[in-house]
Amino acid sequence: DGGITQSPKYLFRKEGQNVTLSCEQNLNHDAMYWYRQDPGQGLRLIYYSQIVNDFQKGDIAEGYSVSREKKESFPLTVTSAQKNPTAFYLCASTAGDRGWISTEAFFGQGTRLTVV
Amino acid sequence: GEDVEQSLFLSVREGDSSVINCTYTDSSSTYLYWYKQEPGAGLQLLTYIFSNMDMKQDQRLTVLLNKKDKHLSLRIADTQTGDSAIYFCAESNNQGGKLIFGQGTELSVKP
Repeated sequence: DGGITQSPKYLFRKEGQNVTLSCEQNLNHDAMYWYRQDPGQGLRLIYYSQIVNDFQKGDIAEGYSVSREKKESFPLTVTSAQKNPTAFYLCASTAGDRGWISTEAFFGQGTRLTVV
Repeated sequence: GEDVEQSLFLSVREGDSSVINCTYTDSSSTYLYWYKQEPGAGLQLLTYIFSNMDMKQDQRLTVLLNKKDKHLSLRIADTQTGDSAIYFCAESNNQGGKLIFGQGTELSVKP
């Protein structure tokens, strides 16, 4: 079945460590996104990528980094520069086209990151 | 910049209709969406409406769009306890296509 998979589901990080969240899709989608979800704040866009080897900063990119070396993979690294990383992280993908309009975004099940 | 606003909570009784409201600022919005999130899970698309439409009905769901006021609503008829979740309004446009989400409305359905 086609879908988008995030791993791990739960992740614990010590202060000062970098951690990488995985996002893989087999939908052949061009565009992929990372969102951060905090209670009462909805989803805030961290980074997005419309095509392989290209990505753009979203609204809250500071302290995060991404890569897009393969179409199906868009890993997110939460660096030690991110001061408040405890949150629920969601990855999504859309089919995209020249206008980058899609009628549906597919989401992973999320990764809950906790700093200990 | 683009902004999407929703109220945070809504409580209804089972069998009643629920109406979740959303306002947005981007006049170039092309598609507007409603997503549902159950606890600890990702988001699932419920329905969407193209910006040149003013209404869309899909079984128990009715979406109304007032483009002049930039107001979107989702009506759930005969609300069930299984409808309890967080509902997100989102919009996209043809300038990059990124999705902008509201804060989410937590719907609580009481038996």
